[in-house]
Amino acid sequence: KQEVTQIPAALSVPEGENLVLNCSFTDSAIYNLQWFRQDPGKGLTSLLLIQSSQREQTSGRLNASLDKSSGRSTLYIAASQPGDSATYLCAVRDDYKLSFGAGTTVTVRA
Amino acid sequence: ETGVTQTPRHLVMGMTNKKSLKCEQHLGHNAMYWYKQSAKKPLELMFVYNFKEQTENNSVPSRFSPECPNSSHLFLHLHTLQPEDSALYLCASSQEGLAEKTYEQYFGPGTRLTVT
Repeated sequence: KQEVTQIPAALSVPEGENLVLNCSFTDSAIYNLQWFRQDPGKGLTSLLLIQSSQREQTSGRLNASLDKSSGRSTLYIAASQPGDSATYLCAVRDDYKLSFGAGTTVTVRA
Repeated sequence: ETGVTQTPRHLVMGMTNKKSLKCEQHLGHNAMYWYKQSAKKPLELMFVYNFKEQTENNSVPSRFSPECPNSSHLFLHLHTLQPEDSALYLCASSQEGLAEKTYEQYFGPGTRLTVT
């Protein structure tokens, strides 16, 4: 059974600092890995999807890397802003479903 | 409407009530999913419908009954729920069977369910 772990569980940084969020998974036989953002009480917004054959994906200030062999992914958010405050979820896709981590809750202080 | 929509957004029901959650996807996808998100727990997959056929029932109690009448609509029928069923219920969709196998999932805003 796939287990997904996200460290740290919570993170508080001053505005402008770079954010580094970590995700690890136990079974490397994955199709892809998705990073999501969730605001309190809301649904999930897909940020980046990395296919298993890729090493990284970039979108604006966001960059995600994938090391499938070691079962790790890292989400970097450059020059954080208060609007980046949210919970960030990592999910890995196997044969037919996504397995989620518990998330990292980020607070960016103005 | 765009993306994945869910109604109602909030629902309060007693343990003896019967209610239904509705999900609609406007993305032309062929697979739909129900997830449960309880406080302080990771998202749990409940049901998967692929090409309108249920392909996964993740040990969900029978008081939750899914229905997928077509590839765009998904329902979750609720009856005789328990207080521990209070949670955020999220619907998602994806396009399966692609040669590229991206399988990106798109989520709706969720229904916040409170069982009293």
